[in-house]
Order: sequence, then structure tokens, then C-alpha cells
Amino acid sequence: AQSVTQLGSHVSVSEGALVLLRCNYSSSVPPYLFWYVQYPNQGLQLLLKYTSAATLVKGINGFEAEFKKSETSFHLTKPSAHMSDAAEYFCAVSRTGGGNKLTFGTGTQLKVEL
Amino acid sequence: SQTIHQWPATLVQPVGSPLSLECTVEGTSNPNLYWYRQAAGRGLQLLFYSVGIGQISSEVPQNLSASRPQDRQFILSSKKLLLSDSGFYLCAWSPGTGAGTDTQYFGPGTRLTVL
Repeated sequence: AQSVTQLGSHVSVSEGALVLLRCNYSSSVPPYLFWYVQYPNQGLQLLLKYTSAATLVKGINGFEAEFKKSETSFHLTKPSAHMSDAAEYFCAVSRTGGGNKLTFGTGTQLKVEL
Repeated sequence: SQTIHQWPATLVQPVGSPLSLECTVEGTSNPNLYWYRQAAGRGLQLLFYSVGIGQISSEVPQNLSASRPQDRQFILSSKKLLLSDSGFYLCAWSPGTGAGTDTQYFGPGTRLTVL
């Protein structure tokens, strides 16, 4: 069964600093991987997705993620944090078995400090 | 372009009362539809998904049910709410065919508080 693990339920960075949110996956087949962002009391917004094309995926709002098969990782990065990046971030992996279902990680709350 | 709507945005209901949450999608046909629950401080739990009208699959046994009376309408219901039904309910859709069927797009959510 596919699963994702997000290391660190809370991450705090200073404005202008590098953002690194960690996601490791487990999958018996080549996975499709996703990062979503959720602002308070809102739905999830797709940041980016990996579907076996380029291993470095660029998304919206300056975020990018790199698929590393050897490390089974798909970490999300942004070179310079902005106050508006404060939100909860979810990593997800597609499931096999039909229905186009996703398995989500437990989320990482990003706090950006002045 | 496609849009997804959920209503109501917030709801406060007494224990034992019925529930009906509605989700509609515009701008696409034959979407896959999903209901998730997000409890405070926890991740997303898939409750139901549907690949077509009248076709509902349940992920976990619970006090809730789902129906899909029309192609782009998905309804989450309960006959008698429990305190544990409180949470943030999210509807999502993905293309039913073609490229991108694995990518889900989420609605704005409904905050349900059961008292």
C-alpha cells in the first residue's frame, strides 16, 4: 500500500529564509506525488505534482520539489519564505487499485516569522 | 474552467439531528467525486468516492452516507449526527477520463460543529 510520511508537524522559518518541508513516500509502483497547501478555513490548493517526467517539479508561488527515488523522498522547497507562505502543507501519493484516490500525509504547519 | 462549490460554509447542529452537505462541480463532465473529513489537528480522511451517478464507495464505516443523484452533484448525509462527526468536510473532484485523472481539486469546505 502507498503511504507518505511528513517529518515535522510544525516548521518555523524567518522571512527570507529557505523553506524545506520533508516528505517521504512508500510505494510498490512508480508513484505520482503531490503537494497541496491549505490556508486557514479553506480547501486545499494544488501546489505541484510529480508524474514521472522531470524529477524537479516547479509549482506555484515559487515552490518546487525534487523526486529522489534513491531516497524515496519528495521534499518541498522555496528559496525565500514570505509571510504569505504561512499555511499547512500536505504531501500525497496516488494509490493503485482504481478510483484515482490519494493518500495524504498528516500535514506540516509552516510558520513564517519576521 | 472548472469550479467546485460547497454549501453551507459553516453549520452548527445538535446531536441527533440530520445532516445534508452539498457539493457541485461546474465546467466538466463525468468527474470522480470525493468526500473527505479533516478533524482538528489531523490529516485528511477519505470518506466516500464516486466514479459515476449512483456509484458510491465507502472508505470507512461510519455514521454518514453519500449520494450522487446527478453527474456533478455529490451529497453527504446523516440521519443522526454524533459529536464525533464534527470537523471540516471537503469535497474534491478529479477528471474521470483523459490526462490528469489522478489530480484532485478541492472545494472551499464546510465547517460542521455538532453540539
